Amino acid sequence: ETGVTQSPTHLIKTRGQQVTLRCSSQSGHNTVSWYQQALGQGPQFIFQYYREEENGRGNFPPRFSGLQFPNYSSELNVNALELDDSALYLCASSTPSGSVADTQYFGPGTRLTVL
Amino acid sequence: AQSVTQPDIHITVSEGASLELRCNYSYGATPYLFWYVQSPGQGLQLLLKYFSGDTLVQGIKGFEAEFKRSQSSFNLRKPSVHWSDAAEYFCAVARWSGGGADGLTFGKGTHLIIQP
Repeated sequence: ETGVTQSPTHLIKTRGQQVTLRCSSQSGHNTVSWYQQALGQGPQFIFQYYREEENGRGNFPPRFSGLQFPNYSSELNVNALELDDSALYLCASSTPSGSVADTQYFGPGTRLTVL
Repeated sequence: AQSVTQPDIHITVSEGASLELRCNYSYGATPYLFWYVQSPGQGLQLLLKYFSGDTLVQGIKGFEAEFKRSQSSFNLRKPSVHWSDAAEYFCAVARWSGGGADGLTFGKGTHLIIQP
């Protein structure tokens, strides 16, 4: 069984640029959630996708957007990057019922640095 | 809105000693509670979770946690720690929004240091 994978591992961007992060969910999982983890903090929920539709969103501005594809892989897009967007971005997939009560399996994350 | 507090930023324990990591939550109804562990440069691994039923939950790697509604707590315990347990530990509660349950709300984490 393949776990959650994310790409790239590391990324460096400059302020004002746009970035796309990718996530492949664990086999059989149709729900993907994205989290932002700033240095020394716990992860913060950005949004969740279930069957290609946004299923919930945390307190993040609209310049954070996402997509989920028919194979349940997902993208996180961030426009107009700010210095505070520097963080570890975590993707998690969960089992088919689409409820947060299901276990969320996390990928290793993408480390984004904004200069 | 739900919230999670982990009062201890750092905890140092000798190898072989017992461990208890504290977690307090704020939530109106019965919460769904989780403990995750994160090793340096790694993603999060689920240790255990509580939804309902027996308030003492067993997890992986010899960890257990006890749900105490009266104290709004979900403390993580291990009877004897190993050097490999050194990591960051996060307590989390399920988020419930208008559309139903979606993401997790995490505490800020407790950094566990193991002394030889």
